[in-house]
Amino acid sequence: KNQVEQSPQSLIILEGKNCTLQCNYTVSPFSNLRWYKQDTGRGPVSLTIMTFSENTKSNGRYTATLDADTKQSSLHITASQLSDSASYICVVSKGGATNKLIFGTGTLLAVQP
Amino acid sequence: GAVVSQHPSRVICKSGTSVKIECRSLDFQATTMFWYRQFPKQSLMLMATSNEGSKATYEQGVEKDKFLINHASLTLSTLTVTSAHPEDSSFYICSARVSGETQYFGPGTRLLVL
Repeated sequence: KNQVEQSPQSLIILEGKNCTLQCNYTVSPFSNLRWYKQDTGRGPVSLTIMTFSENTKSNGRYTATLDADTKQSSLHITASQLSDSASYICVVSKGGATNKLIFGTGTLLAVQP
Repeated sequence: GAVVSQHPSRVICKSGTSVKIECRSLDFQATTMFWYRQFPKQSLMLMATSNEGSKATYEQGVEKDKFLINHASLTLSTLTVTSAHPEDSSFYICSARVSGETQYFGPGTRLLVL
């Protein structure tokens, strides 16, 4: 079954601290993996995208990693800011004709002052 | 670039009425648009895929007569929730794709049916 699981479900950290969010997937065939940030009441915004051959991708304070062998990805946020408070969604694109997106349930991050 | 807008951003309606939500690609032409529904604390669930000029393809369990989708142009798709009921209250998000795989998401529409 094509699934994307994320952990933790929610996370509270202090401003300035780092954190790492996890994503495990069983999607096959695999095309690519994206991390999105979704602010409350808004649509998702893409942070990073990685294909099978890419191990890491950075976007400012966001660094995503991908281990295609173990089918795991992580999103590391450095020096967190209050504006980082949001839901972070891991999305795996299923290869093939449909290019269907499989969404994780997200990790709700709260950054406190 | 690649901006997708939705209108309205939020709507409140009475049970039994129909509500139309618009999704527009502002700076590109989208051959395919997608409609998603998101319930609180849950992830996005794909409702349907629409290609310009053809009928939408609905996901299993989504009533096509209740959720009418029109993709009349390469920059506009509309979702009409017909005879809305309180259980239809949700966050509706559209996305647009030019080619390949990248989908650009709209800001979402919050629907509340009283």
